[in-house]
Amino acid sequence: QSVLTQPPSVSGAPGQRVTISCTGSSSNIGARYDVHWYQQLPGTAPKLLIYGNNNRPSGVPDRFSGSKSGTSASLAITGLQAEDEADYYCQSYDSSLSGYVFGNGTKVTVL
Amino acid sequence: QVQLVESGGGLVKPGGSLRLSCAASGFTFSDYYMSWIRQAPGKGLESVSYISSSSSYTDYADSVKGRFTISRDNAKNSLYLQMNSLRGDDTAVYYCARGTRDTSGWLYFFDYWGQGTLVTVSS
Repeated sequence: QSVLTQPPSVSGAPGQRVTISCTGSSSNIGARYDVHWYQQLPGTAPKLLIYGNNNRPSGVPDRFSGSKSGTSASLAITGLQAEDEADYYCQSYDSSLSGYVFGNGTKVTVL
Repeated sequence: QVQLVESGGGLVKPGGSLRLSCAASGFTFSDYYMSWIRQAPGKGLESVSYISSSSSYTDYADSVKGRFTISRDNAKNSLYLQMNSLRGDDTAVYYCARGTRDTSGWLYFFDYWGQGTLVTVSS
């Protein structure tokens, strides 16, 4: 059972907007620790997508955005494209576990 | 450009040992915190271990504490993971990842990842 909970899957048609939630608790996201997001394309290593809750590394399209509120965070993908089909993971720090924690991952399917 | 290349994975029997290596290039290795993160087949990501830039601080997931040892050689731009007493649930792809400080100033996110090396523990 992951400390950070994500929906197993979300889907959308090309061009649509989808959001992925990442629900934590008072010992991680609620403790104001940053949330980061990673994209893992099929058969490849994870890649940093969003850092510090809402910052995009250079090269990441502005279709991807992050937000955080209370004990949850969200990743939004607008203008969904076929190449966005991947697994997405949130990550934060947990003070009870004294370590970095990942969400269980969300598979995005483009219909 | 930043490159992280893992090696050393393979098939090992339960109770056996393996040493993973990660060769870094394209950045000043000695300036960065480094981490091992694993992914069991069909599963999510799990932080295994991390080490500070000067090796003064290391930490481990409870699941590997006492069995795995992380180390680095800044002169060789290399990160290592010595894995002993391996078990079936250690079977995973092991990724080497570079840590960069987040807005807290003392926590990290992982901005570059290697391609991973597969460790299979089976008799």
